[in-house]
Amino acid sequence: EPEVTQTPSHQVTQMGQEVILRCVPISNHLYFYWYRQILGQKVEFLVSFYNNEISEKSEIFDDQFSVERPDGSNFTLKIRSTKLEDSAMYFCASSEALWANTEAFFGQGTRLTVV
Amino acid sequence: GENVEQHPSTLSVQEGDSAVIKCTYSDSASNYFPWYKQELGKRPQLIIDIRSNVGEKKDQRIAVTLNKTAKHFSLHITETQPEDSAVYFCAGREIGGFKTIFGAGTRLFVKA
Repeated sequence: EPEVTQTPSHQVTQMGQEVILRCVPISNHLYFYWYRQILGQKVEFLVSFYNNEISEKSEIFDDQFSVERPDGSNFTLKIRSTKLEDSAMYFCASSEALWANTEAFFGQGTRLTVV
Repeated sequence: GENVEQHPSTLSVQEGDSAVIKCTYSDSASNYFPWYKQELGKRPQLIIDIRSNVGEKKDQRIAVTLNKTAKHFSLHITETQPEDSAVYFCAGREIGGFKTIFGAGTRLFVKA
């Protein structure tokens, strides 16, 4: 069964450093999403991406965040200067069509720890 | 924007009993409501969803009901089993929109 894969599974970084979280969506999917989940809290929407551009973003997704689909298979989330409060599990998801019309599949997540 | 409230935050039931988790949403334009199950350390997985043109949907031991007027929807799990123990998230989004908003989650414990 096709899966969304994320690397690395765990990333530890110093405060102020840049991190790039990587995702490989399911190959025929067209819509891509990043969510985060601070430990013990709800899953929060960060950004959606379609047709090589951001289609929607939340207030969490400020200038420190960016997304890219550099080569047609990877979908990356970059945090330019990490803060302690960026520590969370980051989930990538993808869907073949708009989420309401078809299921979105989540990756297994990247646990980011900022120290 | 959309806000989804979920109750209770924790639910403990005996094996074989039913479990009910309730959610309310704020945006009347929301008309797609998925439910996700997340086991410890794993990814959220879709277990059932409902669209606003339907009042109820059932899949084996799981059912979801939707009241559009009251803007609330509920997950019902019957004949609970220990493997049902997990965190359950409700969510809502507007069809045609890109953002799915999740509730805070319900940690379900099923005691054998």
